[in-house]
Amino acid sequence: GQSLEQPSEVTAVEGAIVQINCTYQTSGFYGLSWYQQHDGGAPTFLSYNALDGLEETGRFSSFLSRSDSYGYLLLQELQMKDSASYFCAVSGSYQKVTFGIGTKLQVIP
Amino acid sequence: EPEVTQTPSHQVTQMGQEVILRCVPISNHLYFYWYRQILGQKVEFLVSFYNNEISEKSEIFDDQFSVERPDGSNFTLKIRSTKLEDSAMYFCASNKDGFDFYEQYFGPGTRLTVT
Repeated sequence: GQSLEQPSEVTAVEGAIVQINCTYQTSGFYGLSWYQQHDGGAPTFLSYNALDGLEETGRFSSFLSRSDSYGYLLLQELQMKDSASYFCAVSGSYQKVTFGIGTKLQVIP
Repeated sequence: EPEVTQTPSHQVTQMGQEVILRCVPISNHLYFYWYRQILGQKVEFLVSFYNNEISEKSEIFDDQFSVERPDGSNFTLKIRSTKLEDSAMYFCASNKDGFDFYEQYFGPGTRLTVT
């Protein structure tokens, strides 16, 4: 099976940088994804790492270390609209994505 | 921009009743999924569906659940005899092909309330 751990809450200041960590255990591994979910909304795909290293998409970057079963999402130049829950998700097979508990990010002025 | 749609947005039902949740995936997508999210908790995988067959299912997806693609556009989740603990937000998702399995497009969800 799969299990993921990430912090439940993070608070950061507008304009700052925040890192949300995720560790995972899985019997099979294709990659680590990150999704954003605003309150009452649907999860929205942000980023994916299949190989070790950093992937950058605008203000968001995601990192993966397969040997450490660890990844993180880095959000730069935080904006108030970034306040949301962020889920890491592991793909243990091609057609199953297992989500973590989510990290609730609060951006404060 | 194409999007996944779901109906109804909110369904209230009595315990023991059957419900059908409906989804219209993005038109050129081939892989379909159902997830549920109990209020304040994580998104939980229920089932994946490809080529008119279930590809994978979780332990949550027991005999009370079934999925169907009755026509070329709809994808449904049926719960035969609802329980109080089935109350949750149910999300449908789709993706285009097996290579981008990690990038799933979610619908807005159906909030199911079982009383």
